[in-house]
Amino acid sequence: AQKVTQAQTEISVVEKEDVTLDCVYETRDTTYYLFWYKQPPSGELVFLIRRNSFDEQNEISGRYSWNFQKSTSSFNFTITASQVVDSAVYFCALSEDFSGGTSYGKLTFGQGTILTVHP
Amino acid sequence: DAMVIQNPRYQVTQFGKPVTLSCSQTLNHNVMYWYQQKSSQAPKLLFHYYDKDFNNEADTPDNFQSRRPNTSFCFLDIRSPGLGDAAMYLCATSKESPGLAYNEQFFGPGTRLTVL
Repeated sequence: AQKVTQAQTEISVVEKEDVTLDCVYETRDTTYYLFWYKQPPSGELVFLIRRNSFDEQNEISGRYSWNFQKSTSSFNFTITASQVVDSAVYFCALSEDFSGGTSYGKLTFGQGTILTVHP
Repeated sequence: DAMVIQNPRYQVTQFGKPVTLSCSQTLNHNVMYWYQQKSSQAPKLLFHYYDKDFNNEADTPDNFQSRRPNTSFCFLDIRSPGLGDAAMYLCATSKESPGLAYNEQFFGPGTRLTVL
């Protein structure tokens, strides 16, 4: 069974600090996909990034960066120079490769990390 | 802009009174999902449609049903809401093709259901 663990329930930082959100996953699949979603107070889940299990390149997008390490089954997310607008709940999620199968699109979410950025 | 729309944003119902939540999409995605998210918890998949094929999660209560009359619309019916069904209900869509696995899901803003 798939499992995603986000050990940090809540993180509080002051604006401009860097912050890293941890994500550890478990899966028996050799092909899988990892995601990060942001959920602001408005409630909508906003897609941030998708990474497949064959691509271990780290990625940077503006102030966001992701560190995927297959050896430790981790997919951590770093926000550089945090801003108040980054305050939200962040979910890490995992899905299996369903090409040719029937389990289309089932995302297993972690419990989420509440990030609060203070001015 | 193409998007996923959920109506209403807030729904109040009485214990045991049937309620229907709606979701529509302009993305022309073939897969639609319904998630339940209780306070301070992760979203939990209830069921999804791949085109017209309905896929129910094993632990989804019978109280929850869904309809997808066409590509654009999907409904969540709660036949007899209990207090424990109070939650945010999120609709999502994705575009899937055989042999490809993208699974990037686009979420609507959710409907917050209150059961009195």
